[in-house]
Amino acid sequence: DAGVTQSPTHLIKTRGQQVTLRCSPKSGHDTVSWYQQALGQGPQFIFQYYEEEERQRGNFPDRFSGHQFPNYSSELNVNALLLGDSALYLCASSLEPRNTIYFGEGSWLTVV
Amino acid sequence: ELKVEQNPLFLSMQEGKNYTIYCNYSTTSDRLYWYRQDPGKSLESLFVLLSNGAVKQEGRLMASLDTKARLSTLHITAAVHDLSATYFCAVDGIWGGATNKLIFGTGTLLAVQP
Repeated sequence: DAGVTQSPTHLIKTRGQQVTLRCSPKSGHDTVSWYQQALGQGPQFIFQYYEEEERQRGNFPDRFSGHQFPNYSSELNVNALLLGDSALYLCASSLEPRNTIYFGEGSWLTVV
Repeated sequence: ELKVEQNPLFLSMQEGKNYTIYCNYSTTSDRLYWYRQDPGKSLESLFVLLSNGAVKQEGRLMASLDTKARLSTLHITAAVHDLSATYFCAVDGIWGGATNKLIFGTGTLLAVQP
């Protein structure tokens, strides 16, 4: 059983560009959450998707947007990249009722 | 706003010694998670604590939850070098019950010295 898979694993973008990160949840999981982890800090909640709707959102600007597809996979889009967006982006999946939350290996984004 | 604090932020300990990491949180929650993160890696789930008084143990690690005190502890027994990593606690954010919106602590960097 594959766990949470994310792509790409590493990428480098230039300021002002746009990026799309992808996540496939653990088999059978219907809820996907995205987190940003800057170097030396704990992960920060970006938003959560359930049944293709954004259900919760953290304190992130509108430049951060997402989508969930009917197969529960998800995308995170970041527009107008800033240097401060450089971080590890983690996708987490879970299933109602919510107990264990599984994290993917993450996507390392470097903005230059 | 829910806040989660861990202490210490950095812990250097000798192999064979015991120590405890503390996780305090600011508002009511009965769902707390502990994760381990190795350098450059993702988060590995260690424990999920779901009720007051919950205690879970796995190998040299034992976690407990006191919801009245809003405190969780991660106790390390007879540390070994392989336990060196960053440990995070995370609390389920409040939104009508369990939400899987996790608020993470600051992390504790554990370095076990031979």
